[in-house]
Amino acid sequence: GEDVEQSLFLSVREGDSSVINCTYTDSSSTYLYWYKQEPGAGLQLLTYIFSNMDMKQDQRLTVLLNKKDKHLSLRIADTQTGDSAIYFCAEPSGGYQKVTFGTGTKLQVIP
Amino acid sequence: NAGVTQTPKFRVLKTGQSMTLLCAQDMNHEYMYWYRQDPGMGLRLIHYSVGEGTTAKGEVPDGYNVSRLKKQNFLLGLESAAPSQTSVYFCASSYPGAAAEAFFGQGTRLTVV
Repeated sequence: GEDVEQSLFLSVREGDSSVINCTYTDSSSTYLYWYKQEPGAGLQLLTYIFSNMDMKQDQRLTVLLNKKDKHLSLRIADTQTGDSAIYFCAEPSGGYQKVTFGTGTKLQVIP
Repeated sequence: NAGVTQTPKFRVLKTGQSMTLLCAQDMNHEYMYWYRQDPGMGLRLIHYSVGEGTTAKGEVPDGYNVSRLKKQNFLLGLESAAPSQTSVYFCASSYPGAAAEAFFGQGTRLTVV
């Protein structure tokens, strides 16, 4: 299958911005997604971006897409302790029957 | 609504034992999925189902079997557990073609010793 790569760990101080990066491999993906997994829970869809967009902003979240480099990033402004979680990027596969997840980035927010 | 419910939440198995993980959803979703989550490897799809009575292999199907006899239930079986199957297992369900908007269960932590 396709490999979607992320760095494993990110530590930031409360109030700073967090930037989580992702490299995907399927250039034909129409949408790209970000999920959040809080401790002891399943994944929840956080936001997504359509492939013809460069940027999408949703309150404290900003998604940036560089299709040429197949690079996706999630910026969290004013990071709070409640943002501590594992974040996964993902792309659809199998005609939208499936999703391929990245390796996940664990975000630690230091008070 | 309960959403997606997985049972059990925790289990310890001895190598060679068998067990079945149950996933139940009450949202009338057509699609259901079983994933395993391992550190540094993200979520990997084991098997999935696009409707009652149908199943398909995912990325890492070996050592697992599934059944979807009822639309609301998706069972994951381990016939002969191995330590390499120690993982956290997640079930999810979605509407057709909406895999990215799936609802996830809380997970089952399985340890094989």
